[in-house]
Amino acid sequence: KAGVTQTPRYLIKTRGQQVTLSCSPISGHRSVSWYQQTPGQGLQFLFEYFSETQRNKGNFPGRFSGRQFSNSRSEMNVSTLELGDSALYLCASSVGTRNYEQYFGPGTRLTVT
Amino acid sequence: QKEVEQNSGPLSVPEGAIASLNCTYSDRGSQSFFWYRQYSGKSPELIMFIYSNGDKEDGRFTAQLNKASQYVSLLIRDSQPSDSATYLCAVNIGSNYQLIWGAGTKLIIKP
Repeated sequence: KAGVTQTPRYLIKTRGQQVTLSCSPISGHRSVSWYQQTPGQGLQFLFEYFSETQRNKGNFPGRFSGRQFSNSRSEMNVSTLELGDSALYLCASSVGTRNYEQYFGPGTRLTVT
Repeated sequence: QKEVEQNSGPLSVPEGAIASLNCTYSDRGSQSFFWYRQYSGKSPELIMFIYSNGDKEDGRFTAQLNKASQYVSLLIRDSQPSDSATYLCAVNIGSNYQLIWGAGTKLIIKP
């Protein structure tokens, strides 16, 4: 079974621009969670989507948004990029019902200059 | 505020010894507990999960859960240099599908 895929793997953007990251979950998984990870920081939860609906949300500003499509693929968008948005962005997929195990993709390394 | 606490380390263990990693959580409603391993520059990998009190063994790894004392441990037997990584503890609370994460413990296995 194919794992979680994320595109692109690396991205360099300029402050003020916007960016869209994509995540394809494991086949059959209906939940996608997004995390931000910076050096020295733990995983910071952004949001979780299940069956095209945002089910949980972390404490990030409205510049961070996401959506999920009917095939469970998910995108997250960051508008008006700031230098502090430079991070590894991870998505994790799970079945979404009955169990809580999450499986991570390889991540997208975003650098904002 | 629901919290998951881990000692940041680094925890240094000789090769072949037992590495013991601990995680405490604040919410008694916690039901599911997960250990992830993250190598530098890589994404977290699920290595163990445990739902009920007691021990769960998988190869060299054993997860121990004590709900009364609100802690979960990960034991790694016969530690190998390849076990050197950061270990993240995650906890699910109630029926919420969001995981609460610890900051991770950096483990170094010395040859």
